[in-house]
Amino acid sequence: QLLLQESGPGLIKPSETLSLTCTVSGDSVSNSNFYWAWIRQPPGKGLEWIATVYYSESTYYNPSLKTRITMSVDTSKNQFSLKLSSVTAADTAVYYCARHDYGSGNHFAHWGQGTLVTVSS
Amino acid sequence: QTVVTQEPSFSVSPGGTVTLTCGLSSGSVSTSSYPNWYQQTPGQAPRSLIYNTNTRSSGVPDRFSGSILGNKAALTITGAQADDDSDYYCVLYMGSGVSVFGGGTKLTVL
Repeated sequence: QLLLQESGPGLIKPSETLSLTCTVSGDSVSNSNFYWAWIRQPPGKGLEWIATVYYSESTYYNPSLKTRITMSVDTSKNQFSLKLSSVTAADTAVYYCARHDYGSGNHFAHWGQGTLVTVSS
Repeated sequence: QTVVTQEPSFSVSPGGTVTLTCGLSSGSVSTSSYPNWYQQTPGQAPRSLIYNTNTRSSGVPDRFSGSILGNKAALTITGAQADDDSDYYCVLYMGSGVSVFGGGTKLTVL
């Protein structure tokens, strides 16, 4: 059974860099059939795709965020990560990691439970 | 940037049929947009319903179906049930690895 678990700071100050990690169990981040993604949802609002990464480190970023984000894969730990720099209150959201079946209908097939990140001084 | 449009809200009676749509602020949705649909209840992660326009995800009842209607993607719920009362999101592929979610539709079953 595939499980994805997000981990992050919970609370972060404005202008700092947010670091999030998704730990994958039940599959390998090196599985050549799949990509891995981050998606966020501000409180009471809709979903926003942030970025997608392939194990070979190919990355795709949301154009509106690309100057602030870096996504990477750690195959030794079976994890993938997101860094978001210069955060503001607008970055307060539940952050989800997901398996992205990019080559199969662009399908976000499996999601973690999400982690709430609050940006506040 | 292209905006993906959804009805903000919709209501349906139990047992009724409802069609939610997903469009583009500029242009038409086609199968090459690989429309996906997700269902979300409060406090929960989204659940995949439909991908690649009309393929049901594992375990999704066949009362949920996806299609292209005119220039939009559509999610049809036939025989709505009380637990279909949820938020529904579509996502479209824009090319070059970029995906964009719609703003979501709040469906009320009453």
